[in-house]
Amino acid sequence: GQNIDQPTEMTATEGAIVQINCTYQTSGFNGLFWYQQHAGEAPTFLSYNVLDGLEEKGRFSSFLSRSKGYSYLLLKELQMKDSASYLCAVRAANTGGFKTIFGAGTRLFVKA
Amino acid sequence: EAQVTQNPRYLITVTGKKLTVTCSQNMNHEYMSWYRQDPGLGLRQIYYSMNVEVTDKGDVPEGYKVSRKEKRNFPLILESPSPNQTSLYFCASSLSPSTGVGTDTQYFGPGTRLTVL
Repeated sequence: GQNIDQPTEMTATEGAIVQINCTYQTSGFNGLFWYQQHAGEAPTFLSYNVLDGLEEKGRFSSFLSRSKGYSYLLLKELQMKDSASYLCAVRAANTGGFKTIFGAGTRLFVKA
Repeated sequence: EAQVTQNPRYLITVTGKKLTVTCSQNMNHEYMSWYRQDPGLGLRQIYYSMNVEVTDKGDVPEGYKVSRKEKRNFPLILESPSPNQTSLYFCASSLSPSTGVGTDTQYFGPGTRLTVL
């Protein structure tokens, strides 16, 4: 079957670095996404990995290892506004198209 | 402004009364999806569409229908809503995954909060 696991909650301190892990099991892997979602709002795109390695985008970086079925999102210089849920999602080739499977999300609390 | 719009944003209805949630995008995207989001379960894909007249089931299609007659619109139809369809619904669009173009960001609409009594 297809499955994505990520921690339910994490807490970190303003200015620090936090790493949110995601493991997945899927067939027909076609890319891994990270989204940020503030309470009551729509998810917004953060990063996309389809090849192994690290993608860096400002304070956010995302890593992928396809052989291990593993990704992480790294947030540096944490700010209070980074308090949100972080969603890991995998796109998988399906008969006739591509499905997207989301993890349940990781709620990050940033404290002063 | 590039955006995905959904209507209505909030809806309270009763069991069995057919309803449609509209979704429209102005980015000429081929790929469109509907998701529902429930506490502790995350986003689950209901249906997706690779292009006009091409739709397929996601992980939780039971009780829902969709159509894709035009590229910009992807309505979600609940023929006979039931209380277990009470949820927050999101429409999303992106360039086609099959083109392998760029990062293929999915853009999400603002969400529709549906309550079925």
